[in-house]
Amino acid sequence: EDQVTQSPEALRLQEGESSSLNCSYTVSGLRGLFWYRQDPGKGPEFLFTLYSAGEEKEKERLKATLTKKESFLHITAPKPEDSATYLCAVQAASGGSYIPTFGRGTSLIVHP
Amino acid sequence: DAGVTQSPTHLIKTRGQQVTLRCSPKSGHDTVSWYQQALGQGPQFIFQYYEEEERQRGNFPDRFSGHQFPNYSSELNVNALLLGDSALYLCASKSGANVLTFGAGSRLTVL
Repeated sequence: EDQVTQSPEALRLQEGESSSLNCSYTVSGLRGLFWYRQDPGKGPEFLFTLYSAGEEKEKERLKATLTKKESFLHITAPKPEDSATYLCAVQAASGGSYIPTFGRGTSLIVHP
Repeated sequence: DAGVTQSPTHLIKTRGQQVTLRCSPKSGHDTVSWYQQALGQGPQFIFQYYEEEERQRGNFPDRFSGHQFPNYSSELNVNALLLGDSALYLCASKSGANVLTFGAGSRLTVL
């Protein structure tokens, strides 16, 4: 069974204080790993897809990296508007279902 | 370009009642999935519809059923509501193997 574990559950940062969120996964052959951002009361918003170990993607202050066992979402010099829950999901290559399995997310609060 | 739209945004039901949630996918998308997200949890997959048929189903009881219409819109029906069915219900659409685009969700409270 595919499993996704995100840590920490919650993270409080001061504006400008860089940090990383972790997503550890167990999957029978990785087809893709996804990062989403979710604001309170809203649906998840797509950020990145990573397909193979060593791959990196960047968008503004966010950078996602991938190894064979985990992914990191690095946040550089965060601003209060980066406050949200960040969700990680994995999609298995086997079975053909292509249904992503989500983690519980990391709730990030950035204080001004 | 309208994204995924869901209705209603909020609703309150009592135990034992039935509820229908609606979803219009993003323009150009033909596959619709439904997810349940309890407070503090990640989205849990309920089922996926393509070409008006249920193609994949998660670990949810038969009380949860759905439908997809010829215009690709979809409905989620939940019968015999339980307190534990209180959650944010998310609809997501895609085309082919592309990433999911989510709607804002329908917040269901069961009293």
